[in-house]
Amino acid sequence: EVQLVESGGGLVQPGGSLRLSCAASGFTFSSYAMSWVRQAPGKGLEWVSVIGGDAITTFYADSLKGRFTISRDHSKNTLYLQMNSLRAEDTAVYYCAKTKWTGYYFFDSWGQGTLVTVSS
Amino acid sequence: QSALTQPASVSGSPGQSITISCIGTSSDVGSYNLVSWYQQNPDKAPKLMIYEGSKRPSGVSNRFSGSKSGNTASLTISGLQAEDEADYYCCSYAGTNTVVFGGGTKLTVL
Repeated sequence: EVQLVESGGGLVQPGGSLRLSCAASGFTFSSYAMSWVRQAPGKGLEWVSVIGGDAITTFYADSLKGRFTISRDHSKNTLYLQMNSLRAEDTAVYYCAKTKWTGYYFFDSWGQGTLVTVSS
Repeated sequence: QSALTQPASVSGSPGQSITISCIGTSSDVGSYNLVSWYQQNPDKAPKLMIYEGSKRPSGVSNRFSGSKSGNTASLTISGLQAEDEADYYCCSYAGTNTVVFGGGTKLTVL
């Protein structure tokens, strides 16, 4: 059974940084792309970023403008999202998702999410 | 990328069929048969219901079906059940290795 468990969320001041983690189990982690998708309170889903199983290929939503960095560690079966220069509008639940990317573009398993609140 | 357009809410009675539309553009929905649909219950993670426009993952009821015409994708739920009440989101490939979600539709089972 696929399990994805996010952690690292919390309260951070505007301009601050935070690193989210997603521990994966139940599948061959290195064989799948992984993504981050966020959801602001009471709002819809927004795709943030994806990283290929090669741990090199990455893509980001244009709106992030280079503030976020996705990475993964296959020795730890863990996905990361480094978030810098955080703004109030980054406040959201951040989900990690097992992803079918090139040629498919869908998210077939999701974690329960971790809440990031950007506020002074 | 602009969000895909979904109705804010739809409703139906048990046993009826409902359809949720997802309107995109020729740059996303209209150009690719790569629309997926997700069901989200309150305070829960989304769940994949349809991928590649009309394919169902293992375990998803065949009451759920997907289709596309032009720039509009649709999710149809037949034989509506109380357990179907949830938020539904569409998502489409938008080119250059990006995807875009719809704003979401709240389904109420009357």
